[in-house]
Amino acid sequence: DIQMTQSPSSLSASGGDRVTITCQASQDIRDSLNWYQQKPGKAPKLLIYGASNLQTGVPSRFSGSGSGTHLTFTISSLQPEDIATYYCQQYAYLPLTFGGGTKVEIK
Amino acid sequence: EVQLVQSGAEVKKPGESLRISCKGSGYSFTSYWISWVRQMPGKGLQWMGRIDSSDSYTNYSPSFQGHVIMSVDKSINTAYLEWSSLKASDTAIYYCARGNSYGFVFDYWGQGTRVTVSS
Repeated sequence: DIQMTQSPSSLSASGGDRVTITCQASQDIRDSLNWYQQKPGKAPKLLIYGASNLQTGVPSRFSGSGSGTHLTFTISSLQPEDIATYYCQQYAYLPLTFGGGTKVEIK
Repeated sequence: EVQLVQSGAEVKKPGESLRISCKGSGYSFTSYWISWVRQMPGKGLQWMGRIDSSDSYTNYSPSFQGHVIMSVDKSINTAYLEWSSLKASDTAIYYCARGNSYGFVFDYWGQGTRVTVSS
């Protein structure tokens, strides 16, 4: 199985800060990566697909980049409604696998 | 509007069987895969497998192969996840998700079904 190592596992930032989360894949996954947001008690929501493509309706402060084994997710200006846990998910190989998640909090 | 509506919470005893459901609406059900994702209490997301809604072809994660069965009933746009013998370790929230782009991008999710297995 492809291991997705997500870091950090948690972070605390101030409103308006730039936040970056990384996913390190155990093998080259090209750009076969999605990013999801999960708020407490809710189902996950797709934010970014294909490493860098913004899902329809998702605010432009969210972005993704990278390919290969090192991919990143950025919130350009953290908003209070962005408090959530974020997951990466690779789809280059079966079985599909998720990163361990990054819990984002506001200072 | 695309919706995936899952069946309600379940409380079961170890060894019992269970089938939970996921009903799709607002789109061509047979044009998309359905994946199932487990989230154990306080933990992350685990992909269990997926089923092609058009022909019931399945891919299971090795971690779940042999322990669950995925199926669909195209006539009622519903996917199912089934256990024949539950364990306490099956306690979790189970999500179904519609798979776009060859089934690999989960663009719509069900609300989740909470399964509690306890003696």
